[in-house]
Order: sequence, then C-alpha cells, then structure tokens
Amino acid sequence: DAGITQSPRHKVTETGTPVTLRCHQTENHRYMYWYRQDPGHGLRLIHYSYGVKDTDKGEVSDGYSVSRSKTEDFLLTLESATSSQTSVYFCAISEWTGRGNTEAFFGQGTRLTVV
Amino acid sequence: AQSVAQPEDQVNVAEGNPLTVKCTYSVSGNPYLFWYVQYPNRGLQFLLKYITGDNLVKGSYGFEAEFNKSQTSFHLKKPSALVSDSALYFCAVRDNDMRFGAGTRLTVKP
Repeated sequence: DAGITQSPRHKVTETGTPVTLRCHQTENHRYMYWYRQDPGHGLRLIHYSYGVKDTDKGEVSDGYSVSRSKTEDFLLTLESATSSQTSVYFCAISEWTGRGNTEAFFGQGTRLTVV
Repeated sequence: AQSVAQPEDQVNVAEGNPLTVKCTYSVSGNPYLFWYVQYPNRGLQFLLKYITGDNLVKGSYGFEAEFNKSQTSFHLKKPSALVSDSALYFCAVRDNDMRFGAGTRLTVKP
C-alpha cells in the first residue's frame, strides 16, 4: 500500500470550532488532494496541491482552507465547522509523468462529525 | 471543466454473469480516465486506467474497460462476476485535478 496516513481517523467537534485534518505521505508524490464523500454525491474535490505552497480550489472549497509547507504534508482546515461538513474526508496522492504514472492512491479516510 | 457521469446508482447481477458499470466523460482535450473500487470502510483502490493506446484496457481482479471516443464512454466490464466483486465503483477523469463520478453500487448475488 502507498504510504499515506490520515490523522485523526475519527473526530467529533462542535459547530463553530476550527478543525484541522492532516495527510502525510512517504511517497514523495507531487500531487495531493482532499475529497469529501457523502451518500449520493460520490467523492467531491475540496482542494488540491501540485507542489509545495501550490494549491488550487476544487468543486466544494467554501469553508475550507489548505496548506502545504512541505512535500509530505497536506493540511485541511475547516475554519468554523458546520453540521453540513459532517462527512468522510479522504486524502489522495499522485504523480504526473510522461509515462502516464497518473493514478491516485488514497488514505483510509477521516470520519468527521460536527455536532 | 472536465467531468464524468455514472448514470446508474445500483447494478445487480447474478454470480457468473457478465457485468457492466457505465461511465461517460466530458473533457476538453485528451481524456485520462480511471476506475476505482471501494470496499466498506476503506479508501478507494485503483483498478485500471486509460491514457492512450488500445481502447480495451485490462486491470486488476479480471476487470477491463472499453474506451469509446465517439460515445465519450469508458464502461467497466467483467466477463464473469463474483460475489466478492460487490462494492462501490467510481469512474474518474484527470487533468491537474481528479474528478469522480457519484459512484455505482454493484451487488453480485449468488
């Protein structure tokens, strides 16, 4: 399995509090992604990174921010958690080479509940 | 913007029968297409990809997918389904980011 670790694996937090999820990789992959998975919606991209300090918004970025200060870590912050952000969050990594080495590898997920 | 669509929420097949899980795509350039599988309480696992070349792509666990440019489709197939194939299947398309469909739940009955 690809070396991807998400922490925490489970979290319960109160509405209005900030929350940070961490994704750590040992593969030295350039691309990192944060998704949320909700029934009926599949995986929706929140933010992604294509290098250190290089990030961009995805489909559902409102209420979320990210940071990538080093290759191995990609942090997702919910600035002020709301109940609509209750979800399972997945981190993924990938490369992008001329040989088509482009598939993503996923972490085990973080189940976040906002009460 | 690039996107994929999975028109079926649920697919049911009998064990031993062929299965097809459908995916259509919309991209502005050459498509980079993927299939992933998710088992309960797990992350997604890569099955196969189309980058270029042969339209029939073979992947893990006996799965294959057929790329059809004229129909903008990338359907996942398996000649003989197993009960253990029951899972959630996702189609995805890649540019710099990677976008997923809503998923199709495959149930294979004995």
